[in-house]
Amino acid sequence: GENVEQHPSTLSVQEGDSAVIKCTYSDSASNYFPWYKQELGKGPQLIIDIRSNVGEKKDQRIAVTLNKTAKHFSLHITETQPEDSAVYFCAASLNYGGSQGNLIFGKGTKLSVKP
Amino acid sequence: DSGVTQTPKHLITATGQRVTLRCSPRSGDLSVYWYQQSLDQGLQFLIQYYNGEERAKGNILERFSAQQFPDLHSELNLSSLELGDSALYFCASSVGSDQETQYFGPGTRLLVL
Repeated sequence: GENVEQHPSTLSVQEGDSAVIKCTYSDSASNYFPWYKQELGKGPQLIIDIRSNVGEKKDQRIAVTLNKTAKHFSLHITETQPEDSAVYFCAASLNYGGSQGNLIFGKGTKLSVKP
Repeated sequence: DSGVTQTPKHLITATGQRVTLRCSPRSGDLSVYWYQQSLDQGLQFLIQYYNGEERAKGNILERFSAQQFPDLHSELNLSSLELGDSALYFCASSVGSDQETQYFGPGTRLLVL
């Protein structure tokens, strides 16, 4: 089945710097890649997603890039702010068999933004 | 606020017991997904329902079962509970059944003593 690896597990940056989180997936049939932010005591919140027909997507300070050949995708946060501190999860979704909807998650990256 | 509600917020019970977790999806969403989040296993997909029918199954134990009712709310039943079942259980919902954006609820924290 699909496997998603996420790095790094922890990331500490200074306010205003950029943060990059990388994920790799194993199944080339995966074609939907969302990123979630989870704050303490809350459920995961979708921040951006990308589908396999697109190489890059941007939303203000957040961008995601996808390299289907290499089977990896990355989250880029620019001009980080203390409120960006949270755990970030990448995920992948297959589109065949009985797995059209469910997400396979990476282990998460704890981002700390120091003021 | 995602619009997905889950009850209860916290649940403490003993080994061997049975509990029911409840989820109400966002208005208009037909799919409900259940995920388990634990420190060692991370976020794992359990099961998906779409418009009352089971759609996909993940790493769900035989002791666990779920259903989606005509009003589209869903319940996750956990029986013969073990210490290792202690975890956060999240429900998510989406409009359709295939690779739609999933919106997560606030979760139910289950502690089995």
